[in-house]
Amino acid sequence: DTAVSQTPKYLVTQMGNDKSIKCEQNLGHDTMYWYKQDSKKFLKIMFSYNNKELIINETVPNRFSPKSPDKAHLNLHINSLELGDSAVYFCASSRYTGELFFGEGSRLTVL
Amino acid sequence: DQQVKQNSPSLSVQEGRISILNCDYTNSMFDYFLWYKKYPAEGPTFLISISSIKDKNEDGRFTVFLNKSAKHLSLHIVPSQPGDSAVYFCAASDPYGGSQGNLIFGKGTKLSVKP
Repeated sequence: DTAVSQTPKYLVTQMGNDKSIKCEQNLGHDTMYWYKQDSKKFLKIMFSYNNKELIINETVPNRFSPKSPDKAHLNLHINSLELGDSAVYFCASSRYTGELFFGEGSRLTVL
Repeated sequence: DQQVKQNSPSLSVQEGRISILNCDYTNSMFDYFLWYKKYPAEGPTFLISISSIKDKNEDGRFTVFLNKSAKHLSLHIVPSQPGDSAVYFCAASDPYGGSQGNLIFGKGTKLSVKP
């Protein structure tokens, strides 16, 4: 009964391809996020959505496009993948206390 | 520029002893601090938090101390158990993110508790 689930867990693809990572939360939270953990292990926020509306959009290339069909889902679509996009992407959700609930992560490897 | 720093990438402690994980921050406007624990191949899970109006928060074996003047916080685990072996992330709440949880994370400290 996973609270924040994301798929796929592992994704290996070629440069230039387009891929999506899906995220769903069953906690009833209003806010969802995408974080990226790069090779240096930093966890950095990419996007934040509140009730399907974009709240935070850090300096992320516009090849990354989040989509929130409803407040329980926040998907991440990446166009024209580059080597530097290889990372672990974490979806998270929160209510209002600042405490985030993370998914298990999706490890993206771009060859 | 790292606003949240965990200068020790790893820490090894004997079972039963105290583990002390440290975190420093640069932005005096941070108003809420959290510790997350992460096992391999899993997402970070919330452990304990502290508001900037407090200097200590305790939850079972875990205590977080906040020294605002030094811009320093620490997580104490006592007694340490082998199951505590994980990567611990310190995080601070960006005041401009407000309650929407724009957390700024440190790089993490890998704790190994030896039996």
